[in-house]
Amino acid sequence: GIQVEQSPPDLILQEGANSTLRCNFSDSVNNLQWFHQNPWGQLINLFYIPSGTKQNGRLSATTVATERYSLLYISSSQTTDSGVYFCAVDSDMRFGAGTRLTVKP
Amino acid sequence: IAGITQAPTSQILAAGRRMTLRCTQDMRHNAMYWYRQDLGLGLRLIHYSNTAGTTGKGEVPDGYSVSRANTDDFPLTLASAVPSQTSVYFCASSQGWGNEQFFGPGTRLTVL
Repeated sequence: GIQVEQSPPDLILQEGANSTLRCNFSDSVNNLQWFHQNPWGQLINLFYIPSGTKQNGRLSATTVATERYSLLYISSSQTTDSGVYFCAVDSDMRFGAGTRLTVKP
Repeated sequence: IAGITQAPTSQILAAGRRMTLRCTQDMRHNAMYWYRQDLGLGLRLIHYSNTAGTTGKGEVPDGYSVSRANTDDFPLTLASAVPSQTSVYFCASSQGWGNEQFFGPGTRLTVL
């Protein structure tokens, strides 16, 4: 089946810093999603982005389907951004292992 | 408020017992999914349903069964629980397969 790899596995930032999270996938996909799991375990859909670029406030995402990767950008990070970020592809509905982000005040 | 509900919130179960996790959505979504989340492994798909009356196997279906009698409900059954099924279980739904997914709050299951 398709492989989904996320990097880095862990990321620690100071409040106000910017970051880029990466998601690589091993085969063609029709759809890709980014999720945030907060420290209480709740999963929230951030972006549904099979291709192109989308922005939502301080977050934006870019998917280059032909090169099999997606990037999630977080600008001016806040402590509330802490948690685990997952990407998922529609092929077999596979999730990556996630990037654990900690934003320190 | 529209969304997905799961029950119970948490459960401790003796090995060998039968258990059904409940999931209900009121968004009239066609597709529903069950995932398990284990530490360090992300989420893995157990079973899914593209529409009422149909179900399919995901990445880790062994030891689990599902049914989809109507659009709103998608219960997950463990026929004879084993300790390796200790996990957090999430239900999700989307308008169609691969569309934007919405998740329930999860069920934390411990099998002793």
